[in-house]
Amino acid sequence: EVQLVESGGGLVQPGRSLRLSCAASGFTFDDYAMHWVRQAPGKGLEWVSGISWNSGSIGYADSVKGRFTISRDNAKNSLYLQMNSLRAEDTALYYCAKELADSSGWYFDYWGQGTLVTVSS
Amino acid sequence: QSVLTQPPSVSGAPGQRVTISCTGSSSNIGAGYDVHWYQQLPGTAPKLLIYGNSNRPSGVPDRFSGSKSGTSASLAITGLQAEDEADYYCQSYDSSPYWVFGGGTKLTVL
Repeated sequence: EVQLVESGGGLVQPGRSLRLSCAASGFTFDDYAMHWVRQAPGKGLEWVSGISWNSGSIGYADSVKGRFTISRDNAKNSLYLQMNSLRAEDTALYYCAKELADSSGWYFDYWGQGTLVTVSS
Repeated sequence: QSVLTQPPSVSGAPGQRVTISCTGSSSNIGAGYDVHWYQQLPGTAPKLLIYGNSNRPSGVPDRFSGSKSGTSASLAITGLQAEDEADYYCQSYDSSPYWVFGGGTKLTVL
């Protein structure tokens, strides 16, 4: 059974940093690209960042570029998101999502339960 | 403002058919990228509902179907049930910012 378990969220002051983690199990982690998707309270889904299986390809949404850094450790089956210079608008539930890429395109076939990040003074 | 446009809400009575539209542009859906749909039940994580415009993952009832034409896509739900009440999101790929979502549609079963 595929499991994605996020951790590391919490209350943080504007301008500070936070590091999110996602522990993966139930599949061959280093075969798949992984992503972070966030959802602000009462709002829709927003793609944040993605990383290929070997970390050779990385992308960020414009809203976080230069402030967030995605990484992975295939030996530990873990995905990370280093979040610096946090802003109030970064307040959201952050989901870890597994990408499936095939003839049908690129989509997310499994999601974690999310970890809540609240940026407030 | 989301790259893909969905109606904020739709509603229908049990047993009825409802559709949810997802409108994009020439840089995403119109460029030939597939559309995928997710269902988010209250208080839970999104779940893949439709992939590749019209394919259902194992376990998704055939009451759910998807289609795509031009720069738009649609999700149809027939035989509406109370447990279908949820938020539905479309997703595709774009030249930037890559993975894009619709703003979400809240389905209310009357």
